[in-house]
Amino acid sequence: AQSVTQLDSQVPVFEEAPVELRCNYSSSVSVYLFWYVQYPNQGLQLLLKYLSGSTLVKGINGFEAEFNKSQTSFHLRKPSVHISDTAEYFCAVSDRTNAGKSTFGDGTTLTVKP
Amino acid sequence: DGGITQSPKYLFRKEGQNVTLSCEQNLNHDAMYWYRQDPGQGLRLIYYSQIVNDFQKGDIAEGYSVSREKKESFPLTVTSAQKNPTAFYLCASTTGDLSGANVLTFGAGSRLTVL
Repeated sequence: AQSVTQLDSQVPVFEEAPVELRCNYSSSVSVYLFWYVQYPNQGLQLLLKYLSGSTLVKGINGFEAEFNKSQTSFHLRKPSVHISDTAEYFCAVSDRTNAGKSTFGDGTTLTVKP
Repeated sequence: DGGITQSPKYLFRKEGQNVTLSCEQNLNHDAMYWYRQDPGQGLRLIYYSQIVNDFQKGDIAEGYSVSREKKESFPLTVTSAQKNPTAFYLCASTTGDLSGANVLTFGAGSRLTVL
């Protein structure tokens, strides 16, 4: 069985500061990892994904994430946030044993303050 | 543009009534999913379908029903048996790849409130 833990439910940060949103996962086999973003009253959209290859993955809007197999982590980072980054962020994991289904974390609410 | 359309966006229901949420996609995706979202609980899988005329229960299927008569459509019925139906419902789709390396495309969601 696979699971995802997002270690922070809320992260407040000032504009132009760096931010890290933490995600740990568990799975018995090789995994695929995703970060999605959700703006208020909208669906989720993909920020970035790790399928294989380089462990540093770059996504949209200046976000990046690093896959760390030994620590079973996939933390999301941005060196300088904007007000418009205020949203909820979800980490998700899937693997070949679960018929293509993804398991989502509980989400992290990022609030960027001026 | 290709995408997923969910309707209605907002829906109010009296206790004891069944309601049906619509989900239509024009992405030619084989697999479709329904998730429920509650504050602080992330997304929980209700039902999914990987091919027309077939669907499977997810983690919280009790009180819900679905059909998949057409590839483009995957409606969700919230029945009166669902004890706490007030939530935000999200429909998603992806290719039929079962490896897990598939990105989900989401609709904009439907917010159901039981009065």
